[in-house]
Amino acid sequence: AQTVTQSQPEMSVQEAETVTLSCTYDTSESDYYLFWYKQPPSRQMILVIRQEAYKQQNATENRFSVNFQKAAKSFSLKISDSQLGDAAMYFCAYRSGGSQGNLIFGKGTKLSVKP
Amino acid sequence: EAQVTQNPRYLITVTGKKLTVTCSQNMNHEYMSWYRQDPGLGLRQIYYSMNVEVTDKGDVPEGYKVSRKEKRNFPLILESPSPNQTSLYFCASSFGQGGTEAFFGQGTRLTVV
Repeated sequence: AQTVTQSQPEMSVQEAETVTLSCTYDTSESDYYLFWYKQPPSRQMILVIRQEAYKQQNATENRFSVNFQKAAKSFSLKISDSQLGDAAMYFCAYRSGGSQGNLIFGKGTKLSVKP
Repeated sequence: EAQVTQNPRYLITVTGKKLTVTCSQNMNHEYMSWYRQDPGLGLRQIYYSMNVEVTDKGDVPEGYKVSRKEKRNFPLILESPSPNQTSLYFCASSFGQGGTEAFFGQGTRLTVV
């Protein structure tokens, strides 16, 4: 069975600085997708970024980028120029490439942004 | 607007009183699922559905039921709620392929006393 591990329950960053959130996963599959979701205090789950396992290039979305290390099964999220609105819970998630894959979540990292 | 709608958003109930949390999506998604979120545990899948009349258990199905009579609706039923089912519940939907984005409802905060 696949597992997702987020080893940092809480992180803190100064506004305008850069922070990296860690995520590792375990799988024997070769076809899968990885996601980072943001959950602000409103509780809404918001997709931040997505990575296809077959792509070597790291995904980027504006200030958000990932460091995808397939051999190491690592999928970290880098937030550049942190803003107060980035404060939230961040979840790493895994999904199999087949049509029956469900999202498997890590336990989350709570990010605080200091002004 | 593409969305997943859950109701109610907040619910306080007593042990043993049957309740239903509704979920509806307007994106014609085949795949729908229910998660519960508990502090320190992340989101865990309760049940999922691949399409109409096709449902299956997730990781924590005990005490829950679901049905999928229409493609857009996927209600979560607690026949006899217990305090350990106090949690934050999310419904999500997506197309069936693994890489597609999952859209989440706004969440339902359930308290069972």
